[in-house]
Amino acid sequence: QVQLVESGGGLVKPGGSLRLSCAASGFTFSDSYMSWIRQAPGKGLEWVSYISSGPSYTNYADSVKGRFTISRDDAKNSLYLQMNSLRAEDTAVYYCARRFTAGRYNFYGMDVWGQGTTVTVSS
Amino acid sequence: QSALTQPASVSGSPGQSITISCTGTSSDVGDDNYVSWYQQHPGKAPKLMIYDVVNRPSGVSNRFSGFKSGNTASLTISGLQAEDEADYYCSSYTSSTTWVFGGGTKLTVL
Repeated sequence: QVQLVESGGGLVKPGGSLRLSCAASGFTFSDSYMSWIRQAPGKGLEWVSYISSGPSYTNYADSVKGRFTISRDDAKNSLYLQMNSLRAEDTAVYYCARRFTAGRYNFYGMDVWGQGTTVTVSS
Repeated sequence: QSALTQPASVSGSPGQSITISCTGTSSDVGDDNYVSWYQQHPGKAPKLMIYDVVNRPSGVSNRFSGFKSGNTASLTISGLQAEDEADYYCSSYTSSTTWVFGGGTKLTVL
């Protein structure tokens, strides 16, 4: 079935780095626009970054620009988020999500979400 | 990249209808059919309920409907049921090719 599974979360000290992974299955990953979205404890959703399909175009929220890097490996059906210079305010559950696509049309919505991986930044 | 504005909470009785608003700007909500809505139960991942302002994905009840006027979008849930109690988030693509979410609305079914 269509599935996204995140991994790589954990406890890291301020200033440290972490790499999150998202394994996709059940759909043509290479055709999909993908995003990372996070949710701090008890807070709302915050979009972090996205990467297009094909010649990958990327974009980032101002809060992570210059510190986080999104990438993909279509051969491995995997999405990544390299997080550097981590801060306490980066503490959150990180979700990967697929942009809803039908045929060659990309709709405005994210229809498949992983279960999330927890990142805690603390000394 | 300011968050979209949603009410913090709404409530309704079973069988009633409720509407959640989502206000943005002409660079996001008002720009095109960019709005989507998500339902999130505690401890669970969000679920897409509405995309492109008014469309429901396959499997989503027709009790959920979306609308937009100018820079404000809305989600209406009719025939409220106990299982509708959850947090609801609007989201919009933006003219800067980013995405933005609302702060979330907690729906309580009385």
